[in-house]
Amino acid sequence: GQQVMQIPQYQHVQEGEDFTTYCNSSTTLSNIQWYKQRPGGHPVFLIQLVKSGEVKKQKRLTFQFGEAKKNSSLHITATQTTDVGTYFCAGNFGNEKLTFGTGTRLTIIP
Amino acid sequence: DAGVTQSPTHLIKTRGQQVTLRCSPKSGHDTVSWYQQALGQGPQFIFQYYEEEERQRGNFPDRFSGHQFPNYSSELNVNALLLGDSALYLCASSFGLAGDYEQFFGPGTRLTVL
Repeated sequence: GQQVMQIPQYQHVQEGEDFTTYCNSSTTLSNIQWYKQRPGGHPVFLIQLVKSGEVKKQKRLTFQFGEAKKNSSLHITATQTTDVGTYFCAGNFGNEKLTFGTGTRLTIIP
Repeated sequence: DAGVTQSPTHLIKTRGQQVTLRCSPKSGHDTVSWYQQALGQGPQFIFQYYEEEERQRGNFPDRFSGHQFPNYSSELNVNALLLGDSALYLCASSFGLAGDYEQFFGPGTRLTVL
């Protein structure tokens, strides 16, 4: 079936360090979305990428969509304690549903 | 403007029972998707409702069924509950079909099956 893999599963960083999570699919994606889920909370939409090679920035967050539209990444520069949570990518394979990745849980060491 | 609301917030059932979860979408949204999120896992797509019809379905058995009402609110029903059905059930709404549009998630219903 169509799956979206995400690595790493966990990431512990010192406050101020950078963080990156990667999302991979064996099948071409129509688009990809990124969500953040705080501990005990629900997923909150961050961004959607549609075009091959697309790069979008939101303050300290940089999102990329691969040229082949099979992978994506989220990079956070100079992490802060407010960045704590689990980051999910969610891919659309051309149908009407989203397939979520396994998530990367980010913890910050103050 | 209220966001997505879900009820109840928590629920405890025993094996074999039936449960109904409810969701009201964000104002202006016409599409509701349901997800099951087990502890430490990503949300798994159950199904999506648009124009009161089930449009897409994930790999869930027929014990999982749903409904969308004319006011766009939705219900998720699970029959013959199993221990493995214990999870956080998330409802997400969007304007248009889920694959193309930002989804707004509700706070979820935490279901525990004993």
